[in-house]
Amino acid sequence: DIQMTQSPSSVSASVGDRVTITCRASQGISSWLAWYQQKPGKAPKLLIYAASSLQSGVPSRFSGSGSGTDFTLTISSLQPEDFATYYCQQANSFPVAFGQGTKVEIK
Amino acid sequence: QITLKESGPTLVKPTQTLTLTCTFSGFSLSTSGVGVGWIRQPPGKALEWLALIYWDDDKRYSPSLKSRLTITKDTSKNQVVLTMTNMDPVDTATYYCAHTRYGVHFDYWGQGTLVTVSS
Repeated sequence: DIQMTQSPSSVSASVGDRVTITCRASQGISSWLAWYQQKPGKAPKLLIYAASSLQSGVPSRFSGSGSGTDFTLTISSLQPEDFATYYCQQANSFPVAFGQGTKVEIK
Repeated sequence: QITLKESGPTLVKPTQTLTLTCTFSGFSLSTSGVGVGWIRQPPGKALEWLALIYWDDDKRYSPSLKSRLTITKDTSKNQVVLTMTNMDPVDTATYYCAHTRYGVHFDYWGQGTLVTVSS
């Protein structure tokens, strides 16, 4: 089974900061990676699929990159509504696997 | 507009069987490529994928839970049902159903339902 490891587990940042979250797969998954944002008490929201494709309606300050085993989610200019937990998910093969999450907190 | 909503008991006893229903609208589970999955999240913890059923009745399960899970669909009712046997307190979680199409990423999610396992 493929394991997904995110880093860091949490990050403190200020509004306007550039934030980068990384996700590593235990084996190659091509570009079959998705990123989700989850706010407390809410369902996850799809941000990025196929490693770099922006889901409809998601602000362009969110971007994804990478292929193979190493992936990155970047928020170019952090906004107040972006404070949340972010998860990566491999979509290459079953079983589906999520990362452990990265919490973006207010500095 | 695609919507999904989970329903089922909020409290189950250890060893009991949990039955959750996902009722959806805005898409058909008879459309090529469409699937509905179940994902859970224990309080304060990460997401865990459980199962997925596709339009052609292809079913996939988490290997660690496969012996306890059954996923079925009722296309005419726009519902997907997940059953989990032999519930344990560690199964306490919010259970989500979610839509996928042509892949295994989930673009629409239900609001989730919290299931507590306790005697």
